[in-house]
Amino acid sequence: GDSVTQMEGPVTLSEEAFLTINCTYTATGYPSLFWYVQYPGEGLQLLLKATKADDKGSNKGFEATYRKETTSFHLEKGSVQVSDSAVYFCALSDRQGAQKLVFGQGTRLTINP
Amino acid sequence: DAGVIQSPRHEVTEMGQEVTLRCKPISGHNSLFWYRQTMMRGLELLIYFNNNVPIDDSGMPEDRFSAKMPNASFSTLKIQPSEPRDSAVYFCASRPDQGSGNTIYFGEGSWLTVV
Repeated sequence: GDSVTQMEGPVTLSEEAFLTINCTYTATGYPSLFWYVQYPGEGLQLLLKATKADDKGSNKGFEATYRKETTSFHLEKGSVQVSDSAVYFCALSDRQGAQKLVFGQGTRLTINP
Repeated sequence: DAGVIQSPRHEVTEMGQEVTLRCKPISGHNSLFWYRQTMMRGLELLIYFNNNVPIDDSGMPEDRFSAKMPNASFSTLKIQPSEPRDSAVYFCASRPDQGSGNTIYFGEGSWLTVV
């Protein structure tokens, strides 16, 4: 079945550092890809998405490019802030049938001032 | 616009008690999902509905769990009897059939502790 694998956390960085969180997927067909963010004590919020190969999703300085050839959707940000501390989830949704989300295991990110 | 609304936000209950979690999806959304989040297993899809009909409940862990969607604006997830291993955050989420690019919108979760 469909699956998502994220780099294991936790990840700890200093403020203004460059961030990469790796995400790869396995799916039949052509899924849509998502990054969700969960701040402490809150629910999941959509951060960005891409619906087809080579699309780039971006939001709040974060970017991720849908790479069909490497089945990847790595999350990047050029300069992180303390307020970016959260858990980040990569997910896919098959465009056929149920279109339910399949999540990776999540990566906890902590940014130190 | 109101998002997905869940209640209660926090619940502490004793083992063996019945627990009912409630969800109001975003108006106009046709699909509703119940997810469970634990440290050990991450985010798991329990069940989803489309147009109030349960489509896939293969993620429901056992017969103690049941979910209903009596109308387009309300769903419940019930655990009876509850056990300590049911302690988790339960998220409800919804999505329209058209126009959201497959985006699913989550509620803030119901944080359940069974002691």
